[in-house]
Amino acid sequence: GQSLEQPSEVTAVEGAIVQINCTYQTSGFYGLSWYQQHDGGAPTFLSYNALDGLEETGRFSSFLSRSDSYGYLLLQELQMKDSASYFCAVRDIGAGNKLTFGGGTRVLVKP
Amino acid sequence: DGGITQSPKYLFRKEGQNVTLSCEQNLNHDAMYWYRQDPGQGLRLIYYSQIVNDFQKGDIAEGYSVSREKKESFPLTVTSAQKNPTAFYLCASSPSSGGYEQFFGPGTRLTVL
Repeated sequence: GQSLEQPSEVTAVEGAIVQINCTYQTSGFYGLSWYQQHDGGAPTFLSYNALDGLEETGRFSSFLSRSDSYGYLLLQELQMKDSASYFCAVRDIGAGNKLTFGGGTRVLVKP
Repeated sequence: DGGITQSPKYLFRKEGQNVTLSCEQNLNHDAMYWYRQDPGQGLRLIYYSQIVNDFQKGDIAEGYSVSREKKESFPLTVTSAQKNPTAFYLCASSPSSGGYEQFFGPGTRLTVL
């Protein structure tokens, strides 16, 4: 089976940088996705890493290292609206389009 | 505007009653999914369907049932066999080739009294 581990909570101030780590155990997967979810809302897709390395999308970047079974989401220039939960997810080889999600990291941005 | 709709947003039921949650999408996606989310937790897959008239159990299918008679619709029934049905239920869809990016509906918060 698969398992993904994330820190449960991170607190930072506006303008700071936050890194959310995701370590995983899986026998083989296509890539690592990241989603954002505000309280009471629906998850929204942020980024996807199929290959090792850094993917940058505006203030958010995501990184994958298959050899280390590790990825991270980097949130830069934090804004109050970034207060939300962030989930990593993997799509396993042989599992079709099924995603397995981590437990999520709650990010609290303070003024 | 394309998207996924779930209704109702809040649902209350008495213990022992079956309840069906609606999920409709107009994104022309082949794949659809149902997730359960408990407070402070991640998303757990209940059922998923990659094509009309076919679906597979996810990690926590016991006490739930689904149907996929139309591409646009994937209703979930929470049966009385589900021991702890109170939760936030999320429906999602994706293209058949792009499962890494799923599009979610607004969710239904089910409370069983």
